[in-house]
Amino acid sequence: NAGVMQNPRHLVRRRGQEARLRCSPMKGHSHVYWYRQLPEEGLKFMVYLQKENIIDESGMPKERFSAEFPKEGPSILRIQQVVRGDSAAYFCASSPSGGHYDTDTQYFGPGTRLTVL
Amino acid sequence: AQSVTQLDSHVSVSEGTPVLLRCNYSSSYSPSLFWYVQHPNKGLQLLLKYTSAATLVKGINGFEAEFKKSETSFHLTKPSAHMSDAAEYFCVVSPRANSGYSTLTFGKGTMLLVSP
Repeated sequence: NAGVMQNPRHLVRRRGQEARLRCSPMKGHSHVYWYRQLPEEGLKFMVYLQKENIIDESGMPKERFSAEFPKEGPSILRIQQVVRGDSAAYFCASSPSGGHYDTDTQYFGPGTRLTVL
Repeated sequence: AQSVTQLDSHVSVSEGTPVLLRCNYSSSYSPSLFWYVQHPNKGLQLLLKYTSAATLVKGINGFEAEFKKSETSFHLTKPSAHMSDAAEYFCVVSPRANSGYSTLTFGKGTMLLVSP
């Protein structure tokens, strides 16, 4: 059973460009979470999605950031007009269900490390 | 609201000696608690998970953690450190709220250094 897949693993963008990060959840998982890890900090929750629905985006910056999880295909985290402060590792996690305590284990992908020049 | 405090940013041990990584939490709801490990430039791997069954939880690679409600602690231990244990460790809380889903709150991490 393949784990959570993220691509690209490394992404370099210049200020003002767009960054698109992809996440394919584990087989059978329909819940996706995005987290951001800034240097020397723990991971911070950004957004929680189910297929075709954004359930909780309370951790997303109000501007330039968006996420989707279409019926077919991977979840996408999009960052428009990137700035240097967006440089971070972005991790995707998936779970089989939303939060029942017996099944709320989230399995993480290897992350995408975004560098903004 | 929930929060996690990892009491040490760095812990140094010698190979073969015990490991103790400390974690305190607060949560409005009865929580699930986790420890994840992150090796350099790698993703996060689940070490172990507490969900209100046994308070002493055994994980992979010889790690275990004890949930102490009275102390709101969930410290991670291992009897004998191995060089391959050198990594960053994150204590994580997930409230079992009534919203039907949970998001994880991470501590800032503890870097474990293992010397020969």
